[in-house]
Amino acid sequence: DIQMTQSPSSLSASVGDRVTITCRASQTIGRYLNWYQQNAGKAPKLLIYAASSLQSGVPSRFSGSGSGTDFTLTISGLQPEDFATYYCQQTYSAPPWTFGQGTEVEIK
Amino acid sequence: EVQLVESGGGLVQPGGSLRLSCAASGFTFSTYTVAWVRQAPGKGLEWVSSITGSGVNTFYADVVEGRFTISRDNSKNTLYLQMNSLRAEDTAVYYCAKVFILAAGRGADYWGQGTLVTVSS
Repeated sequence: DIQMTQSPSSLSASVGDRVTITCRASQTIGRYLNWYQQNAGKAPKLLIYAASSLQSGVPSRFSGSGSGTDFTLTISGLQPEDFATYYCQQTYSAPPWTFGQGTEVEIK
Repeated sequence: EVQLVESGGGLVQPGGSLRLSCAASGFTFSTYTVAWVRQAPGKGLEWVSSITGSGVNTFYADVVEGRFTISRDNSKNTLYLQMNSLRAEDTAVYYCAKVFILAAGRGADYWGQGTLVTVSS
């Protein structure tokens, strides 16, 4: 299976900060990379698909980039509701479509 | 409005069985792949199994292959996960998710609220 590695595992930031989370695949996955947000006790929410396409209804402060093996999620102007855990997921070839281990964004 | 409502979770002994259900509404269920994704307490997300709209093609994570069976009843708009030979490490919240598949990408765009499965003696 394709392994996904996120960094950092956690970070502390303040409201208004620009935050960047990185995801690396163990082999090339083209642009088959999604980003999800999960608040504590809630189901995950799709933010970005196909590496850089914003899911409907997601604020434009979220953006994604990358291709091949290296990908980035950027939050431009962190808002209070953005403090959550973020997961990348590869959907290259047949399932299972593996997730990264998650990045927890905490309030500084 | 798309809705996915899981049920069937609970406490089961190691080696036991449980069947999860997911009632879907708000979309044409029979035309979409749907999946089960789980999350152990305090851990990350794990793709467990998925099934195509017709039910012909199924996929499983290696750790559940041979023990879990995914199925669907398109006449009832319901997804199932039959879990046998349960182990302590299967303890998790199990989410049902609707899958979208486009030329550019694919993933889970709608999720249920989850149902907790606890495997313990």
